[in-house]
Formats: sequence, structure tokens, C-alpha cells
Amino acid sequence: QQQVKQSPQSLIVQKGGISIINCAYENTAFDYFPWYQQFPGKGPALLIAIRPDVSEKKEGRFTISFNKSAKQFSLHIMDSQPGDSATYFCAASRGSGGSNYKLTFGKGTLLTVNP
Amino acid sequence: NAGVTQTPKFRILKIGQSMTLQCTQDMNHNYMYWYRQDPGMGLKLIYYSVGAGITDKGEVPNGYNVSRSTTEDFPLRLELAAPSQTSVYFCASSYLGGGTGYTFGSGTRLTVV
Repeated sequence: QQQVKQSPQSLIVQKGGISIINCAYENTAFDYFPWYQQFPGKGPALLIAIRPDVSEKKEGRFTISFNKSAKQFSLHIMDSQPGDSATYFCAASRGSGGSNYKLTFGKGTLLTVNP
Repeated sequence: NAGVTQTPKFRILKIGQSMTLQCTQDMNHNYMYWYRQDPGMGLKLIYYSVGAGITDKGEVPNGYNVSRSTTEDFPLRLELAAPSQTSVYFCASSYLGGGTGYTFGSGTRLTVV
């Protein structure tokens, strides 16, 4: 059973456009939602993360929008650049402490930004 | 800081051979993880450790073994390699477990022929 569903699988955007990647989760106990960015031949790197006490978090051109009632969260990349071309993973976990040790990852979205 | 270091970067194994993928971190993180990444399938957890001497299975542990004798090192052992184990393997570490960010290594690309 996949606990974090990510869409689309691939995305092509023109330079300067907005890239939007969506994730949906099933476990209502999840309370930490990070996004990872992975360039070819590299390991994933933490990009931005949100906790459900806020509905939006922005860091530069990257924004996470969070909808707790719908159990959905999304990554928006404003003014997309060719250097943003990478695979993006959403993830979720039950926060720190207790028996929470693991992130559950979505299957990834391959973003291509055309110049 | 080196972060999380994985060796080797590439390896070709023959069916039935064994090998150990090395992972070491210098951030004094208690939590360490092994994931495999297959095209279009995301990251699947093989094994994880919450501290020296403590390990547990993830989603796809069959065919693999781990040990954690020190905080720094978390090697992954493949016994009797099979073509299904052809994948990219990532080691990661974390300070506070799943509720904080992971630091990933650069991966080991393994091909079993």
C-alpha cells in the first residue's frame, strides 16, 4: 500500500513558468512533509519542508502548499529555470521522537525546464 | 564536512557473488538508513538503524543484511547477488529520525549480471 502518492510522474515546463507537483497521503498521523531534489548521479537533497500547523511555506522560488483536510500538499516552483531540471520527491513522516524513524517517499517527478 | 560517504560508486557483480556496500557519516547522527532506487519506483527502505547495535528491517529487506557496530558506519551486505538487486543504493543519516531532514550519500550503482 503506497502511503504517499505523487503526481505527475514527469513534467515539462518552459523557462519562467510555474512548476507544480502534487502529493497525497493517507496516514493522518503524518506531521512532517519534506521535499527532496535529486540531480542525475547525485543523492537526494532536502529542499524545503512543512509541518501541518501552517498552510504554506516559502523559500525563495519554492513554495509548499498544505491542505490538511484534503490530505494533500504540493510544491510550486515559480519562475522555473533550466537549472531546476531534476527529480523531485515528496515524503512524509510522523514527526520526531517516539517510534518515528522513517520517511515514506513518493515515487518522484522528473521535471524538465526548457530554455 | 564529508557528510555521508558511500563506497564504491559503481560495481558489477556476477550472480551469486557477495559484496558489502560501505557507508560512513561524520555528523554524529544516530539514525541511518539504506534505500534502493529503481526507475519510476521512488526510494524503498531496505534497513535502518536508530543507533549503534540496533537495526531493523524496512520495506524490502530480503537478500540484504546490515550491522551497526559504531555510530559512524552502517554497511549493507548483499549475499548471493541476484539480477533483481540491480539498482542504485543510497545511504542516509538523520539527527532526529524521520521528523527531520535526511542527509544522503551520492549512491552506489550496482549491476548484477
